[in-house]
Amino acid sequence: AQTVTQSQPEMSVQEAETVTLSCTYDTSESNYYLFWYKQPPSRQMILVIRQEAYKQQNATENRFSVNFQKAAKSFSLKISDSQLGDTAMYFCARMDSSYKLIFGSGTRLLVRP
Amino acid sequence: EAGVAQSPRYKIIEKRQSVAFWCNPISGHATLYWYQQILGQGPKLLIQFQNNGVVDDSQLPKDRFSAERLKGVDSTLKIQPAKLEDSAVYLCASSPQTGPGGLHAFFGQGTRLTVV
Repeated sequence: AQTVTQSQPEMSVQEAETVTLSCTYDTSESNYYLFWYKQPPSRQMILVIRQEAYKQQNATENRFSVNFQKAAKSFSLKISDSQLGDTAMYFCARMDSSYKLIFGSGTRLLVRP
Repeated sequence: EAGVAQSPRYKIIEKRQSVAFWCNPISGHATLYWYQQILGQGPKLLIQFQNNGVVDDSQLPKDRFSAERLKGVDSTLKIQPAKLEDSAVYLCASSPQTGPGGLHAFFGQGTRLTVV
């Protein structure tokens, strides 16, 4: 089965600190996209960051960066200088060559003041 | 750019009744997805359209769920008859096709369905 696994149901971090969310995935393809989406209580899913599998360089978006380990099929999200507004559910997702988009079970992140 | 529009936002029905959800994707997006998200879980893909053709509906309970995408634009998802376990948020998303990988999916605000 082509799956995406998030092993941390909940994480907590102090405001201004750094936190890393883990994700592993399974695929038989060589070219695919990986994503981290954020879902606040309003439930609108918002793209945080995207990584193309054929790119070796890790993607960064301001305070958000990823550690993409293709051989290990690992894709972790690092949030630096955590802010209260980062409190949300975070979902790791994989899109394959047929544009099929599969999500993990999510990690609930709480940023403490 | 207008986002993905979904309606209604909320719906409460009794079990065995029918319900329909509507989605209008972003203009020009070839791929449209319907997901079911049960409280506390990740979105589960129900059906994926490419233009007006079905790419994947392997997890769609076809005895009670149906979906169509009219002329490759709007889409409706129907449940008939509803069961208690269908209580969930139904998310619609769309994605452009611009070569290898579809960039990413844009999501609507979802429809929260409660079956009582």
